Amino acid sequence: AQKVTQAQTEISVVEKEDVTLDCVYETRDTTYYLFWYKQPPSGELVFLIRRNSFDEQNEISGRYSWNFQKSTSSFNFTITASQVVDSAVYFCALSEGYNQGGKLIFGQGTELSVKP
Amino acid sequence: GAVVSQHPSRVICKSGTSVKIECRSLDFQATTMFWYRQFPKQSLMLMATSNEGSKATYEQGVEKDKFLINHASLTLSTLTVTSAHPEDSSFYICSARGRRSGANVLTFGAGSRLTVL
Repeated sequence: AQKVTQAQTEISVVEKEDVTLDCVYETRDTTYYLFWYKQPPSGELVFLIRRNSFDEQNEISGRYSWNFQKSTSSFNFTITASQVVDSAVYFCALSEGYNQGGKLIFGQGTELSVKP
Repeated sequence: GAVVSQHPSRVICKSGTSVKIECRSLDFQATTMFWYRQFPKQSLMLMATSNEGSKATYEQGVEKDKFLINHASLTLSTLTVTSAHPEDSSFYICSARGRRSGANVLTFGAGSRLTVL
């Protein structure tokens, strides 16, 4: 069965600290997609990244970076030099067979609080 | 990029009334739309999947007669909460899947916050 686990329910850091949000997933499929979304208090989901199961290269986008490791079924997200505007709930999600699906299984979410 | 409009963003209604939420893909044709529900401080849970022109597929535990989903065109899906009760108060989010400029897209709406008094 598919499952996404974000073990950290809440994280609090001080501005400029680096922070890593963990995501562990379970799936039987060999083809799948992983996502990260940011949800600010307004509720709208902000897309951050999509990674397919065949691409294990790490990715960096500005202060954001992602570490995908199939060996441990993890897709962790790191924010470098965190800022107050990074405060939000972050969701990791899994989709099997993206080209045929698009149905996402979400993790429980991690609420990140960045204090000035 | 691909844009999905969801309306209304907030709605307050009395218990026993019905509420309709619209999800529109503005610049692409959505062959499939998904409806999620999110209770406060919780994750998003898929309620149903709708394909244009066919009946929606509901997830286990979701009442079909209470949450009516219609996907009558390639750009519009609606969710109607019938005979709403306070326990239906939640944040409802749609996503739309289709193709735009030759690429697959999957985009979320901004969500609709329902409060049932």
